[in-house]
Amino acid sequence: ETGVTQTPRHLVMGMTNKKSLKCEQHLGHNAMYWYKQSAKKPLELMFVYNFKEQTENNSVPSRFSPECPNSSHLFLHLHTLQPEDSALYLCASSQDRTGGDTDTQYFGPGTRLTVL
Amino acid sequence: AQKITQTQPGMFVQEKEAVTLDCTYDTSDPSYGLFWYKQPSSGEMIFLIYQGSYDQQNATEGRYSLNFQKARKSANLVISASQLGDSAMYFCAMREEGRPGKNNAGNMLTFGGGTRLMVKP
Repeated sequence: ETGVTQTPRHLVMGMTNKKSLKCEQHLGHNAMYWYKQSAKKPLELMFVYNFKEQTENNSVPSRFSPECPNSSHLFLHLHTLQPEDSALYLCASSQDRTGGDTDTQYFGPGTRLTVL
Repeated sequence: AQKITQTQPGMFVQEKEAVTLDCTYDTSDPSYGLFWYKQPSSGEMIFLIYQGSYDQQNATEGRYSLNFQKARKSANLVISASQLGDSAMYFCAMREEGRPGKNNAGNMLTFGGGTRLMVKP
């Protein structure tokens, strides 16, 4: 148990559906991240939030829409996805950008998404 | 060019033996951090160990140690006395201090492709 939870753990959706992924961290961290992990590809950073402000959008298509209402919660809203978006979506959090091991990112268990 | 290279897609090790997982990295940043994560089949990425580029000694954390060879740009993970529960994917990752997010906020990790370790009873 790392203190980062994600729901749902599994999600199957059609291409016309709208769904949301939720991430919550109980570590008192200030930065939160969304990653995508596809089969046979390295982990890809999607978004970074620090103190609720989006600081990085790694050229992610607009069908993925993040939301960070506070430092403890992070959402990823999904709409009109494609089958190639099927992947494991991982959320992570870290203290802040102070350098050293305090920047260690702690991950949640992930949401395995299947787009039909 | 890949920033993090893990050349072993899969490895077997006998239970109770030690195993080394390779990781090489590429950066021109003098200040960086190296991380190892374990990902069991459940999917969660579990942080194992951290090494800073200016650390004089190799990092150790229980049965995990990091063989840091700065000149060779390698940061191999050594697992001693392997256990069946060590079977998982292992990822090496790097944070470059010269690559912060906007307003110097957040931190950016680059991951390698991973090594699947299988421990044999």
